[in-house]
Parts: sequence; C-alpha cells; structure tokens
Amino acid sequence: DVKVTQSSRYLVKRTGEKVFLECVQDMDHENMFWYRQDPGLGLRLIYFSYDVKMKEKGDIPEGYSVSREKKERFSLILESASTNQTSMYLCASFMQGEGSNQPQHFGDGTRLSIL
Amino acid sequence: GQNIDQPTEMTATEGAIVQINCTYQTSGFNGLFWYQQHAGEAPTFLSYNVLDGLEEKGRFSSFLSRSKGYSYLLLKELQMKDSASYLCAVRDPYSGAGSYQLTFGKGTKLSVIP
Repeated sequence: DVKVTQSSRYLVKRTGEKVFLECVQDMDHENMFWYRQDPGLGLRLIYFSYDVKMKEKGDIPEGYSVSREKKERFSLILESASTNQTSMYLCASFMQGEGSNQPQHFGDGTRLSIL
Repeated sequence: GQNIDQPTEMTATEGAIVQINCTYQTSGFNGLFWYQQHAGEAPTFLSYNVLDGLEEKGRFSSFLSRSKGYSYLLLKELQMKDSASYLCAVRDPYSGAGSYQLTFGKGTKLSVIP
C-alpha cells in the first residue's frame, strides 16, 4: 500500500512565523501535491511538483512556497503565517503513466491553527 | 477551468440505497474520481470513470455520462460506517505542465441513520 506521511497532525503557530509542513511518500511517485481543505470550499490545490526541484502553482499559491529536494519529500512553507491560513492541509502523491488511471493517495492531513 | 457541483448534505437509512450526483462543466476532461473522507481522516479512493457507463465495485458503483457532464456514486446496503463525505474530482487533460491535476467538488456529507 502507498503510504503518505505528514509530519504533524496538529500544529499551532503565531502570526508572522515561518511554518514548514512536511510530507513524505514511500512509493517513488514523481508527482506530489499540497491542498488545503476548508468548510464550504472543499479541496483547493496550492502547489504541485512533478519531479525533484520542479514545482508548479496551483489555484491558490499566494502566501505559500514549496520545496522538493528529494523525490520522496515535498515541503509546504508559509513564509509569514497569517490567520487566514488556518486550515486543514493535505498532501497527496501519485504515479503518472501514459493514460494512467492511478488515483492520488492522501496523507492524514495537518490541522494548522494560526493565532 | 472546471466547475463541479454536488449536493452539500444527504441523509439515508441503514440498509437502503443512496445516489450522490455530481455535475461538471469543464474546458477538458480526462477522467472522474470519487473519494470517501471520514471526519478528520484522509480522502480514500473509491472509483474511477473515464468512459461512459457503470463501474461496479462491491456495494459501490459509479456512473459517467460525458455528453451530459454527469456522474453519480451509488451506495447499496448502507451501513453506519458509510457516514462520511464523498468527493467528486475531475482530472484535467494533460497540460504539459508536468502532471495531471484534479479539481474537486465541495463534497457531499452523507449521514446514515438507523
């Protein structure tokens, strides 16, 4: 089974702090994603990466950056945390092949509160 | 871009059948996924449709009509553990940006009552 592990289930930080959320997958997947999930808004894509050191903006990248130095690890960075970044953050990965029907596999999520 | 609509909430009785609808308006289409998400947990993959028709997997089935921009998830013999949110997600055509992307609906919260 694919295992996607997020470093923290719950995290509390203060406004203005730099926050790092870590995600590791164990299936050698090329593609990794960061979403946030908010009530009434569903899952929204922040950033994704399709290879080491490669990154692409999703629908809501403002206030975030990412790092992918190793294939198995994808980090989400809140440069200067703000209260509107309080949310559930979900990491996902999948193996891409031509015509692939492979689903994205999700981690358990990090519930981040910014005070 | 993609616009995906699902009902916000549904309630059904244990042992019954429930159908959760998903409609989409898209600039392209390359498959539709259904996920189940229990409160406080990760979404887990249920089904995938890319061609028209019905895909059956145990108590769960998923249907797709590409011409109508419509899918549904059918849950039979409902159990209390089926109480969860069900997420419909449409995959974009490969854009050359390095990966397929998914656009998710807001999810349907299903409550199964005795």
